[in-house]
Parts: sequence; C-alpha cells; structure tokens
Amino acid sequence: GQQLNQSPQSMFIQEGEDVSMNCTSSSIFNTWLWYKQDPGEGPVLLIALYKAGELTSNGRLTAQFGITRKDSFLNISASIPSDVGIYFCAGKSNDYKLSFGAGTTVTVRA
Amino acid sequence: GAVVSQHPSWVICKSGTSVKIECRSLDFQATTMFWYRQFPKQSLMLMATSNEGSKATYEQGVEKDKFLINHASLTLSTLTVTSAHPEDSSFYICSASPGDITEAFFGQGTRLTVV
Repeated sequence: GQQLNQSPQSMFIQEGEDVSMNCTSSSIFNTWLWYKQDPGEGPVLLIALYKAGELTSNGRLTAQFGITRKDSFLNISASIPSDVGIYFCAGKSNDYKLSFGAGTTVTVRA
Repeated sequence: GAVVSQHPSWVICKSGTSVKIECRSLDFQATTMFWYRQFPKQSLMLMATSNEGSKATYEQGVEKDKFLINHASLTLSTLTVTSAHPEDSSFYICSASPGDITEAFFGQGTRLTVV
C-alpha cells in the first residue's frame, strides 16, 4: 500500500501538555486507525474510526476521521511519561490492506 | 480487543538456514492475515497477504520463494524465511482482523537476526 503523510515526524513535549498529530492521504479510506508502538513490540490499537466526520475518544485520546476521508488527526491531552512511543496512523481501503504513516515519535519531558 | 499472538519473539539463526514464524489469532477466526517487515525507525511495510486455504499474495518486490507463507487454518498463518541471509535480519509482524471491515490487531513481532 501507499505510505501516508504523517506529521510531525517527532516531538518533544512537557508533561501535562497536549499533543496533536495528523495524517493525510491522496486516496480515500474506509477506516482510519491509530496505533502506538513501543520498542520491540507490535503496534497496539488506540482508536478506530469508521465514518467520515466521526470524532472518537478513548480516555485522554481523541481522533477524528476527516470529512474528505483523506485525513485524520489524533490528540493526546495532558501527556504523561508513559505516552512516550511511536504513533502510527493507518488507513484501510477496499482491499482490506493497511497503508501506514511514517510515524510520530513522542518524547515527554517530566 | 482481539488477541493475535506471534512466536517466537526473537530468533537468531545462521546464514543459509530457514526460520519459521507463527501468527495465531487466539479468540477469533481470520480468513486473511497480513505479514509486515519493519526496519529500525521506519514504518511497517506490507510483505504479503495470507489467505486461508489458498495461496498468499505478495507485494511487489517481495520474493515468494524466499518468504513462504502457509495459512492452513482459520487461526494460524506461518511465515518461513528460507535460506536466510544477514540482510533478512529485521522485525517481522503479523496482523489479523475479526472481520474485513473491522480494526486490525497485531502480533507482538519477531526480531530475526541472521548471523
């Protein structure tokens, strides 16, 4: 699949700050997924979005499925040290394959 | 969420040998599973789609004779790296979904080191 445009590539934030990252695509997706990956582990699903315009929360995480179906964002509120990791967006198309963003590396300063 | 288990978590093998990696869906059946390869500090690259009861479909540039995939049951897919070489060293990850339109769940990954 194609690689999605994910930004920022990395970010250093202070504990307690909010984090925002986004993904854009040249193609339309039916599903947007956000994952977090810790070193040496597989990605863990954070939020799944199925409908254009959908806004979904999971604890301190909020994600939205863009109206055009070509973009999505993820917000993390009041960051804590365990939010450190690499966050990936992924879009699922009609062939059920996932296309991934390049990842956003989040480092939290205590 | 659904659980996908991958085994082994890591393996070291000698050049020229073959290594088998297993991917199991523990609490659901999956007619399709996906195999990815991930290099350090990079994203996941899809290698192939594993189809239960039929041949796997490989992404462009992935050697089907090098990376043998078998999906013999609705809960198990295996990836065999044949005649491994140091350049095959990588992090291999599988995924599966309880349904075609639902979210994908990943195994914990397998770190392969070929010496």
